[in-house]
Amino acid sequence: KAGVTQTPRYLIKTRGQQVTLSCSPISGHRSVSWYQQTPGQGLQFLFEYFSETQRNKGNFPGRFSGRQFSNSRSEMNVSTLELGDSALYLCASSLAGGAEAFFGQGTRLTVV
Amino acid sequence: GNSVTQMEGPVTLSEEAFLTINCTYTATGYPSLFWYVQYPGEGLQLLLKATKADDKGSNKGFEATYRKETTSFHLEKGSVQVSDSAVYFCALSGDPGSARQLTFGSGTQLTVLP
Repeated sequence: KAGVTQTPRYLIKTRGQQVTLSCSPISGHRSVSWYQQTPGQGLQFLFEYFSETQRNKGNFPGRFSGRQFSNSRSEMNVSTLELGDSALYLCASSLAGGAEAFFGQGTRLTVV
Repeated sequence: GNSVTQMEGPVTLSEEAFLTINCTYTATGYPSLFWYVQYPGEGLQLLLKATKADDKGSNKGFEATYRKETTSFHLEKGSVQVSDSAVYFCALSGDPGSARQLTFGSGTQLTVLP
């Protein structure tokens, strides 16, 4: 069974640009969550999607947004990039009501 | 709100030493508790979990017991190996029985020397 796949693995963007990251969950998993990992703030919850609806959102500015498609694949978008957005962005998927979250390898975003 | 406090690192041990990484939490209700491990350049891997008080999670020689009276979920291993070198994260989900909207501790870097 394929794991959670995140693309791309690495990205370099310029301040002010926007970026879209993609996450394909494990087959059959309908819940997809996104996390930001930085050395200073650690791992922080961004948002969770289930059946194409955002169920929860963390404490991030509106520049961070996401969506989920009917096949459960999810994308997150960051607009007007800032240097502080440089981070490892992790996606996790789980079964509806499942007690385990499976993480992808992450997308390393560097903003210059 | 929910929070997780984890033992500060880094932790350096010799092979076959005993490992304890402390984790305490603050949450309302009955959270599910997790330990995740992260190897360099990788995402997070679930190491073990416990979904109710007094549950013991175990995997690959690691164990942790959900102690509601002390709001703790300490990670232990009797004999560490070089291959256990990684960053360990304690986490909780405020949604009972689920792994949604995880709150993580700051992580503990473990280095095991041969």
